[in-house]
Amino acid sequence: KQEVTQIPAALSVPEGENLVLNCSFTDSAIYNLQWFRQDPGKGLTSLLLIQSSQREQTSGRLNASLDKSSGRSTLYIAASQPGDSATYLCVFSGSARQLTFGSGTQLTVLP
Amino acid sequence: GAGVSQSPRYKVAKRGQDVALRCDPISGHVSLFWYQQALGQGPEFLTYFQNEAQLDKSGLPSDRFFAERPEGSVSTLKIQRTQQEDSAVYLCASSLVRGNGYTFGSGTRLTVV
Repeated sequence: KQEVTQIPAALSVPEGENLVLNCSFTDSAIYNLQWFRQDPGKGLTSLLLIQSSQREQTSGRLNASLDKSSGRSTLYIAASQPGDSATYLCVFSGSARQLTFGSGTQLTVLP
Repeated sequence: GAGVSQSPRYKVAKRGQDVALRCDPISGHVSLFWYQQALGQGPEFLTYFQNEAQLDKSGLPSDRFFAERPEGSVSTLKIQRTQQEDSAVYLCASSLVRGNGYTFGSGTRLTVV
């Protein structure tokens, strides 16, 4: 059974810091991996999608990488801002129909 | 529309009442998922459609839950005889095809009192 683990579970940083969120998965048969943010009481907002043939994707201050051989993905956030405070989820799409969600990293950026 | 639309946004139901939750996916999207997210928890899979075909309903917690997508576009999740443990946010997601990445709706927050 596919397992997706996110480390750390929670992170609190001062504004302006660069930070890295980690996601690991056990099934190497990957279609893609998608990073989302979820604000309290809200739905999921897609941040970055990495296809299995890609190694990284960038959007603004965000950069996501994918290493299939080690079963890892990282989300790098540069120059963090208080508005980045949210729960970040990595979601694995593989050979099984179901999407597999990571446990999430709750990020707090302090002004 | 540009995104996945879910309605109602909030629903309060008395225990034992039937409810219907609607998901309007992005036009042309083939794949559609329903997920249930309890407070403070991650989303849990309910069911998956490819066009009008319900290919996986293994996550539906009981026979009180029923989902349909008769014309391969709008989907409805119906919960009969609601119980307090059904209180959760119900999320819908759609994708053009499997492997393309998913767009989620804002969810329907169901509270059973």
